[in-house]
Amino acid sequence: AQSVTQPDIHITVSEGASLELRCNYSYGATPYLFWYVQSPGQGLQLLLKYFSGDTLVQGIKGFEAEFKRSQSSFNLRKPSVHWSDAAEYFCAVSNNAGNMLTFGGGTRLMVKP
Amino acid sequence: DTAVSQTPKYLVTQMGNDKSIKCEQNLGHDTMYWYKQDSKKFLKIMFSYNNKELIINETVPNRFSPKSPDKAHLNLHINSLELGDSAVYFCASSPHTDLYYNEQFFGPGTRLTVL
Repeated sequence: AQSVTQPDIHITVSEGASLELRCNYSYGATPYLFWYVQSPGQGLQLLLKYFSGDTLVQGIKGFEAEFKRSQSSFNLRKPSVHWSDAAEYFCAVSNNAGNMLTFGGGTRLMVKP
Repeated sequence: DTAVSQTPKYLVTQMGNDKSIKCEQNLGHDTMYWYKQDSKKFLKIMFSYNNKELIINETVPNRFSPKSPDKAHLNLHINSLELGDSAVYFCASSPHTDLYYNEQFFGPGTRLTVL
């Protein structure tokens, strides 16, 4: 069965600094991979996704992620963090049928002024 | 207009009670979901319905019974509530079941507290 690990429970960065959130997956075939963001008191919103093709994918709000098969990773990056990026970030992988997501434990991002 | 709405937003109840959470989407989507997010923020799918038919049931206790009266609604009824049911429950919908081509839209969540 597929699984996702987000090694960092909390990350704090200064506003304007760059950000990288780690995600490692376990899956037999080429995975469908996703990043979602959850703002406080809100539901999840899709940031970006990957299935095939270019391993660097662009998403909304200036985020990007890079798929690295050799490292089983799909890390999320942003060159310059804004205070409004403070939220919980979830990486997810789909099952074979593509109709169910397994989520990682999430990484809470805090942004210092 | 809210795309995926849930009621109530907060629900506090005693152990052993029966309660329902309602979900409605006005996006015209075929597929709806219930997720449970525990106190450690782990998010896990419970059920998925497509065109009112159950397609995913992730080993959820049978005290939980989803009901889909029509494509726009997926309600969650919970019998004999237990302390471990305390969590935030999220409803979501997507146009169809293939999640790569069909984005999921999440509701704001219902925080259930069982005392």
